[in-house]
Amino acid sequence: DTGVSQNPRHKITKRGQNVTFRCDPISEHNRLYWYRQTLGQGPEFLTYFQNEAQLEKSRLLSDRFSAERPKGSFSTLEIQRTEQGDSAMYLCASSLERTVFGYTFGSGTRLTVV
Amino acid sequence: DAKTTQPTSMDCAEGRAANLPCNHSTISGNEYVYWYRQIHSQGPQYIIHGLKNNETNEMASLIITEDRKSSTLILPHATLRDTAVYYCIVRTGGFKTIFGAGTRLFVKA
Repeated sequence: DTGVSQNPRHKITKRGQNVTFRCDPISEHNRLYWYRQTLGQGPEFLTYFQNEAQLEKSRLLSDRFSAERPKGSFSTLEIQRTEQGDSAMYLCASSLERTVFGYTFGSGTRLTVV
Repeated sequence: DAKTTQPTSMDCAEGRAANLPCNHSTISGNEYVYWYRQIHSQGPQYIIHGLKNNETNEMASLIITEDRKSSTLILPHATLRDTAVYYCIVRTGGFKTIFGAGTRLFVKA
């Protein structure tokens, strides 16, 4: 296993377009997390899944954002009608349920909305 | 989850020990202390965690005070590649991780 994989690494889109990011977690990890990070700030929690169930969503996750993990493996994060304020690094992490160990993060997808 | 307080930034000379403090005075009995670091343009990397006892691994040492209200992450021989933002987090095992602003460590030659 090569860790948590995120694609694409970079995405430039025009305002109003829809974008979708993919995260492939470590295969045996049943928890998957999405975070957003803007310049100079720490990562902000967006949502997390346990297997295919979305267990928690942050208030940061507006109606334009949707995340899925259809078979409890990879996950997608879609942003509809992008706005310039959506420009950020989107990070995915995975872990085992109830683990006391830390998460494994991917390298992130950097979104730029022009 | 309890909140943590970290200095905004710190400097360290290459080859010397880097000691990064963290205050978590409201930590509860079942909360662990975690440290992550984030090198520019990469995702955070888990470093180490502890509950009560001091911990050491190949990356760092974690010293937790007896009252558990503060801790120190020690990088014994800092290198230029250790320049990063270091996050101290407390949480109960199995709950989501909430990041603060962290400490920017600059390792200088």
